[in-house]
Amino acid sequence: DAGVIQSPRHEVTEMGQEVTLRCKPISGHDYLFWYRQTMMRGLELLIYFNNNVPIDDSGMPEDRFSAKMPNASFSTLKIQPSEPRDSAVYFCASSLGRRNSPLHFGNGTRLTVT
Amino acid sequence: KQEVTQIPAALSVPEGENLVLNCSFTDSAIYNLQWFRQDPGKGLTSLLLIQSSQREQTSGRLNASLDKSSGRSTLYIAASQPGDSATYLCGEGNTGNQFYFGTGTSLTVIP
Repeated sequence: DAGVIQSPRHEVTEMGQEVTLRCKPISGHDYLFWYRQTMMRGLELLIYFNNNVPIDDSGMPEDRFSAKMPNASFSTLKIQPSEPRDSAVYFCASSLGRRNSPLHFGNGTRLTVT
Repeated sequence: KQEVTQIPAALSVPEGENLVLNCSFTDSAIYNLQWFRQDPGKGLTSLLLIQSSQREQTSGRLNASLDKSSGRSTLYIAASQPGDSATYLCGEGNTGNQFYFGTGTSLTVIP
């Protein structure tokens, strides 16, 4: 299996622009998570899905952030409009959601908003 | 939101030394606990997973323990090597399948 695949690896954009991050989970995994990592706050859970349905989005910082999972093999995290404080590394992770199932992470998208 | 704390934040040891990394959590509904390794510019790689019904797991030179009653987990690394240098994070999974992470321990093994 190729693992969790995220794109792009790096994104540099100007304040006010729309940013879309993409994730392909491991085939067969029914849980998908979006995390944000910064030096100040560490890894923060933004939102997670079970069987393509959003379960908990309480970590989404504000209405500028939205996430979708139109099918079992694809999810997007969108920021519109982007702000400099959104600069961070965004990770997608997936799992089978069982007690003995590890969480698998993608390599992340490093977002810089100028 | 559950709290996960890792101590120390950074650790530097000479090659060959045994070491212990600590993780504490507040969630009483813990489902499992995972230890991860993160190399610079990379994602997190799962090292060990301990289910809530277990007390420890071992993989090679790594041993992780879990004490639910005290809300603590440790990662023991035996005979450390320079290649072990990385940031180690613990992640606590609860029965709602949410995973919360500590801020990690940055380990440097000096040759």
